[in-house]
Amino acid sequence: AQRVTQPEKLLSVFKGAPVELKCNYSYSGSPELFWYVQYSRQRLQLLLRHISRESIKGFTADLNKGETSFHLKKPFAQEEDSAMYYCALLDNYGQNFVFGPGTRLSVLP
Amino acid sequence: GAGVSQSPRYKVAKRGQDVALRCDPISGHVSLFWYQQALGQGPEFLTYFQNEAQLDKSGLPSDRFFAERPEGSVSTLKIQRTQQEDSAVYLCASSLERGQVEKLFFGSGTQLSVL
Repeated sequence: AQRVTQPEKLLSVFKGAPVELKCNYSYSGSPELFWYVQYSRQRLQLLLRHISRESIKGFTADLNKGETSFHLKKPFAQEEDSAMYYCALLDNYGQNFVFGPGTRLSVLP
Repeated sequence: GAGVSQSPRYKVAKRGQDVALRCDPISGHVSLFWYQQALGQGPEFLTYFQNEAQLDKSGLPSDRFFAERPEGSVSTLKIQRTQQEDSAVYLCASSLERGQVEKLFFGSGTQLSVL
């Protein structure tokens, strides 16, 4: 079964500190993984996808097939990074997302 | 329009009441998805349309849930005889082309509270 887990409901860090939001998945096949973000009072939006291997707003995520993980990292957190972060897996048919439960990141001044 | 529009923004229903939730996707977007997001959870897939065709409804939790997109643009999610467990935010999302799920645009959602 396809499943995404995010073990932390809430993660609090101080401004300028490194941040890592954990994501693990179970999937039979070659996974395609994404991170979505929802800022306060805004819509859910795509942050990054593993295929593009890009850095968005200073965030990066590396797919580790051995550990079935896709952790989101940023070396120096900013207050504006405070938001809900959802890890998501694209299903076998490439038509639908399986979302994790989300982690609320709070960056303290 | 500027984005995916959902209405109403909030809906309070008495248990047993029928409700209808509307989604206006971005003009020209072919694919349309409905998700259910319970409190403290991530969005969960309900159903998917390609134009007017409902290609996947495997996520609908019961036969009380029904979705349609008769002209391939606006979609309505209907819930009959609402139950308290139906309380959630219902999200609609659309993308321009088939299979282009990585370019999904989400609406603000309808928050349904069943009393």
